[in-house]
Amino acid sequence: EVQLLESGGGLVQPGGSLRLSCAASGFTFLGYAMTWVRQTPGKGLEWLSTISGSGRDTYYADSVKGRFTISRDNSKNTVHLQMTSLGADDTAVYYCAKEHLRYFDWTALDYWGQGTLVTVSS
Amino acid sequence: DIVLTQSPATLSLSPGERATLSCRASQSVGSFLAWYQQKPGQTPRLLIYDASNRATGIPARFSGSGSGTDFTLTISSLEPEDFAVYYCQQRSNWPPTFGQGTRLEIK
Repeated sequence: EVQLLESGGGLVQPGGSLRLSCAASGFTFLGYAMTWVRQTPGKGLEWLSTISGSGRDTYYADSVKGRFTISRDNSKNTVHLQMTSLGADDTAVYYCAKEHLRYFDWTALDYWGQGTLVTVSS
Repeated sequence: DIVLTQSPATLSLSPGERATLSCRASQSVGSFLAWYQQKPGQTPRLLIYDASNRATGIPARFSGSGSGTDFTLTISSLEPEDFAVYYCQQRSNWPPTFGQGTRLEIK
């Protein structure tokens, strides 16, 4: 059974940093790209960043480019999202999700974690 | 970024009825469109990928069609568990983008 478990969310002050982690199990982690998506009531679902299975290729939405860094540790089946220069607009539930197709980077997402809430507020 | 516009925003139907949800893209996405279902307190569930392919375990009452800029998700006969929010998502251009969702509610 595929499981994705996020951690690391919480309350952070504007301008602060946070590191999210996602522990994966139940599939061949190395073979699949992983993605971070966030959701807010106002802006809906937003695809933020993807990392290829090998970790060689990374992709970022303009809204987070230069501020967020995605990484993965294939020896520990984990993916991370390092977030810096956080602002109120970054307040959201953050999900890690598994790429649907093996060896593709960004097509669709077939398994999602339960999400971790990030609140940016003073 | 490609903008996906879903309509209607809310659809009120009864169990057993047929549901037709629309997703329109601001430019052609070919057949690179997926549909997700999200129930309250749950994460999105992949239903359809590449416009018309059902994901693993998805009942046959769910079907997708369309290409280019206009897409449709059809639920042939609504079951009580189908009332949820539905999102479309394109993968034609980076970044992948989602529509704003259609809420399917019980009439």
